[in-house]
Amino acid sequence: DAKTTQPTSMDCAEGRAANLPCNHSTISGNEYVYWYRQIHSQGPQYIIHGLKNNETNEMASLIITEDRKSSTLILPHATLRDTAVYYCIVRGRSNFGNEKLTFGTGTRLTIIP
Amino acid sequence: DAGVTQSPTHLIKTRGQQVTLRCSPKSGHDTVSWYQQALGQGPQFIFQYYEEEERQRGNFPDRFSGHQFPNYSSELNVNALLLGDSALYLCASSSTDRGNTIYFGEGSWLTVV
Repeated sequence: DAKTTQPTSMDCAEGRAANLPCNHSTISGNEYVYWYRQIHSQGPQYIIHGLKNNETNEMASLIITEDRKSSTLILPHATLRDTAVYYCIVRGRSNFGNEKLTFGTGTRLTIIP
Repeated sequence: DAGVTQSPTHLIKTRGQQVTLRCSPKSGHDTVSWYQQALGQGPQFIFQYYEEEERQRGNFPDRFSGHQFPNYSSELNVNALLLGDSALYLCASSSTDRGNTIYFGEGSWLTVV
């Protein structure tokens, strides 16, 4: 699996957009970028994933650069409940389609009131 | 639609004992994975089950074993418990034919004393 690099921690003011960067310069053509978050003492929560196009859902937007070497997760209007550790993961596909997730250390995002 | 459910939520075992953790996957999912998360670290992949067989395995000793039942539920067994096995054990499920996104349960907290 390709490695990812994320800042250790970030702060964001409540109500503002939180932009979380991720570098995955060794990503290969068939690997997806996944984002999960983990609120203290809970299981990781799926946020969004993409291959090469920008993606948006009810939780967030994912912007992937054209060369696919980096991406940014955007939480458009951060709330206190968005305080969590955010993991950027590059995931390939196994022979039967369900490749494991390899977690790094993530970014600890703190939303400031 | 029930998500991934795990039991028990918390348990305490003595060094040398054996433990069994249980997981029911999200409705419609046929693949179950187990992860170990030590305090302050990201989840680490233990193994994955599909069609009642172990398909992938992470860097964990043979003391860690598992099983998947015909209804897709799964068990994680750890023998000869060590103090270092104290961790949050996460079950995750996915479907081979529904987008492959992995969803996690809330985990089982194991403390070995």
